[in-house]
Amino acid sequence: GAGVSQSPSNKVTEKGKDVELRCDPISGHTALYWYRQSLGQGLEFLIYFQGNSAPDKSGLPSDRFSAERTGGSVSTLTIQRTQQEDSAVYLCASSLGPGGSDTQYFGPGTRLTVL
Amino acid sequence: ILNVEQSPQSLHVQEGDSTNFTCSFPSSNFYALHWYRWETAKSPEALFVMTLNGDEKKKGRISATLNTKEGYSYLYIKGSQPEDSATYLCAPSGTYKYIFGTGTRLKVLA
Repeated sequence: GAGVSQSPSNKVTEKGKDVELRCDPISGHTALYWYRQSLGQGLEFLIYFQGNSAPDKSGLPSDRFSAERTGGSVSTLTIQRTQQEDSAVYLCASSLGPGGSDTQYFGPGTRLTVL
Repeated sequence: ILNVEQSPQSLHVQEGDSTNFTCSFPSSNFYALHWYRWETAKSPEALFVMTLNGDEKKKGRISATLNTKEGYSYLYIKGSQPEDSATYLCAPSGTYKYIFGTGTRLKVLA
């Protein structure tokens, strides 16, 4: 079956512009996660959705970052007024449930470059 | 769960060598331990999930063990092949949240 997909695969933007990153999780997966990997860093947790609700937004770096999920499926991560430090690979993952032993399946990521 | 450490950071081995990596983590609020393989230009791929102290998992030439009391897990690769070249990530998880280590980057030389 189809895996997790993300779009765009690459995004180059100018400082100060807004960007939207999209994630299509595996059908039927109720839990969805956003991570980012900055150069030389590990995977950093951003936000977790269970259904359309986000019980944990603790990893969002600033109020310029927001995310939503609709229909228990597609999620969009929005970064407003992008800064150069936002340059990173943004990864989305989904799992069947929110349990800690549930495997997360990752998308291919969106590489964001802020000039 | 904080302070997940993986060692070594990077490793070069010859084809056919066996190798192992370490993941250490605080054992409080632990629920499960996950290992992922992340090849360049691909998505991270799940290898194992372990929950119980003493768990051992195996997939082909790769195996992993878990010690929840002392807070560490080992990943072993027997007879490394060039296609094993990747970054290996460990992630202890609580009830829903994974905390990823920075990974061990393995390069297997032919």
